[in-house]
Amino acid sequence: GENVEQHPSTLSVQEGDSAVIKCTYSDSASNYFPWYKQELGKGPQLIIDIRSNVGEKKDQRIAVTLNKTAKHFSLHITETQPEDSAVYFCAARVSSGYSTLTFGKGTMLLVSP
Amino acid sequence: EAGVTQFPSHSVIEKGQTVTLRCDPISGHDNLYWYRRVMGKEIKFLLHFVKESKQDESGMPNNRFLAERTGGTYSTLKVQPAELEDSGVYFCASSQTGGPNYGYTFGSGTRLTVV
Repeated sequence: GENVEQHPSTLSVQEGDSAVIKCTYSDSASNYFPWYKQELGKGPQLIIDIRSNVGEKKDQRIAVTLNKTAKHFSLHITETQPEDSAVYFCAARVSSGYSTLTFGKGTMLLVSP
Repeated sequence: EAGVTQFPSHSVIEKGQTVTLRCDPISGHDNLYWYRRVMGKEIKFLLHFVKESKQDESGMPNNRFLAERTGGTYSTLKVQPAELEDSGVYFCASSQTGGPNYGYTFGSGTRLTVV
């Protein structure tokens, strides 16, 4: 089955800096890669996703890049703000049939003012 | 639209007791998933319902866990008898079938502590 590795496990940045979280996956058939943000006391919320027919997707201060050859994808957050502090999870799945999401272990991002 | 609702939000039980978690998915979502996160680890898949049928239960740890989805609406996850290693946050998620949105909508989770 699919295996998703995520790094780093914790990341501390100063407000205004950029943050990058990286994930690798094992199943070359995976073609859907979402990122979730989990704030304290809440469930994971989808913040951005990318499908394998594109290499990069951007939404305001967040962007995701995908390298299918190397089987890795990354989340980039620019101009970080304290409210970006949360646990971020990457995930992967084959977007056909009834396959399910496989998650990484999460990255705790702390943005200091 | 209302989101995915889970309750209770917290549960503390003694080893050997029984606990039942409930999940109400978004109305119209055929797919319902249960996941669990143990402290510091990944969000791990438990099982997947399509309507009232179990599509995939390969992630269920053992036969102490029983999931049901009555009439294809809400779902329950029962742990009986609970063990210490069952502690963690149990998330439920739902999604549509066949639409362009492959993402899941998660509930806020149930934090289960077995003492």
